[in-house]
Amino acid sequence: NAGVTQTPKFRVLKTGQSMTLLCAQDMNHEYMYWYRQDPGMGLRLIHYSVGEGTTAKGEVPDGYNVSRLKKQNFLLGLESAAPSQTSVYFCASSPQIGEAFFGQGTRLTVV
Amino acid sequence: ELKVEQNPLFLSMQEGKNYTIYCNYSTTSDRLYWYRQDPGKSLESLFVLLSNGAVKQEGRLMASLDTKARLSTLHITAAVHDLSATYFCAVRRGGSNYKLTFGKGTLLTVNP
Repeated sequence: NAGVTQTPKFRVLKTGQSMTLLCAQDMNHEYMYWYRQDPGMGLRLIHYSVGEGTTAKGEVPDGYNVSRLKKQNFLLGLESAAPSQTSVYFCASSPQIGEAFFGQGTRLTVV
Repeated sequence: ELKVEQNPLFLSMQEGKNYTIYCNYSTTSDRLYWYRQDPGKSLESLFVLLSNGAVKQEGRLMASLDTKARLSTLHITAAVHDLSATYFCAVRRGGSNYKLTFGKGTLLTVNP
């Protein structure tokens, strides 16, 4: 049972570089989310999607873009990484009713 | 804008003691969730509370929901070291609002 899988698990970027984080779920969930977790801040929603081909901004969307071309995948892109984007990123998916299931997280460091 | 506040943010307790974590939220919601996170790990779902007066229990943890007061509690009974973790509540407004908003978490440390 894979559930929610995030790729990669760790990454170090230089300021100004770009990268894409991949989230894949095999539970046929409609909703998918990207969060970032910083010490003392809890989880903050970056972007979310309520279905294939749809995306919406969350609480802290600046500097990030997302795409959901297939129902099972939700991609998070950083166009020009900044040190302030150093964080742990979590992807989650959920059905319309029920709890969200989380991936294992991606630890990103921007130097 | 939905705001979710947890208190306390830090809780150090002795084994065998009881304590309660509180989760307040600012607007009407149709469901509330409790999650556990161990250091360096992902979030694990503990409870889903869907209606006013809902109470769920699993082992030494019991969660309840009062939608009129916009308050959920997570009660810990006779704490053991294995319960040491960070606990989050999360709220979904419902209707066409699909966003899931988290509190800042409560870091629980249970000391022998």
